[in-house]
Amino acid sequence: AQKVTQAQTEISVVEKEDVTLDCVYETRDTTYYLFWYKQPPSGELVFLIRRNSFDEQNEISGRYSWNFQKSTSSFNFTITASQVVDSAVYFCALRYANFGNEKLTFGTGTRLTIIP
Amino acid sequence: DGGITQSPKYLFRKEGQNVTLSCEQNLNHDAMYWYRQDPGQGLRLIYYSQIVNDFQKGDIAEGYSVSREKKESFPLTVTSAQKNPTAFYLCASGRGAIIYNEQFFGPGTRLTVL
Repeated sequence: AQKVTQAQTEISVVEKEDVTLDCVYETRDTTYYLFWYKQPPSGELVFLIRRNSFDEQNEISGRYSWNFQKSTSSFNFTITASQVVDSAVYFCALRYANFGNEKLTFGTGTRLTIIP
Repeated sequence: DGGITQSPKYLFRKEGQNVTLSCEQNLNHDAMYWYRQDPGQGLRLIYYSQIVNDFQKGDIAEGYSVSREKKESFPLTVTSAQKNPTAFYLCASGRGAIIYNEQFFGPGTRLTVL
């Protein structure tokens, strides 16, 4: 069985502070994919990043960075110099890597509020 | 512009009525999905379809039905058998055969049962 845990239900930080969103996952598979999605107040989920289990390189995209560590089953997301537009609910998700089983297992999300 | 459209954005239903939520995509994706989101919870998979005229139950299919007669369309019917239908419903699509691809989401439909 797969499980994704986002222990931080809500986080509030002052604008320009850095913030890290935690994601811990459980899976018996050796090959899998991890995702982060952003859900702004409008409701639509916006894809941020995909990472496969063979690639433990950290990734940076502008103010966003991701730290994937298989040893601790974690895929954490850091926003540097946060902005008000970063306020949203962020979801971490896990997917099997086999055809015919495309289910995404989502965490419960972390609501991030950036205070101006 | 390519994307996923869902209609209506808000839907109100009386108890005992069936209601159909629309989902259309012009991304030429083979796979389509329906998720349900409740406050403070993650998304849960209702149904998914990897190809036209075929679909599979997800984790919470009871009280829902779907059809996939066209590649572009994957409507979801919330039946009167669904005991607690008030929720936010999200449709998604993806290139199912390419397993590492992400799913793209529509703007959602918020269903309220009165």
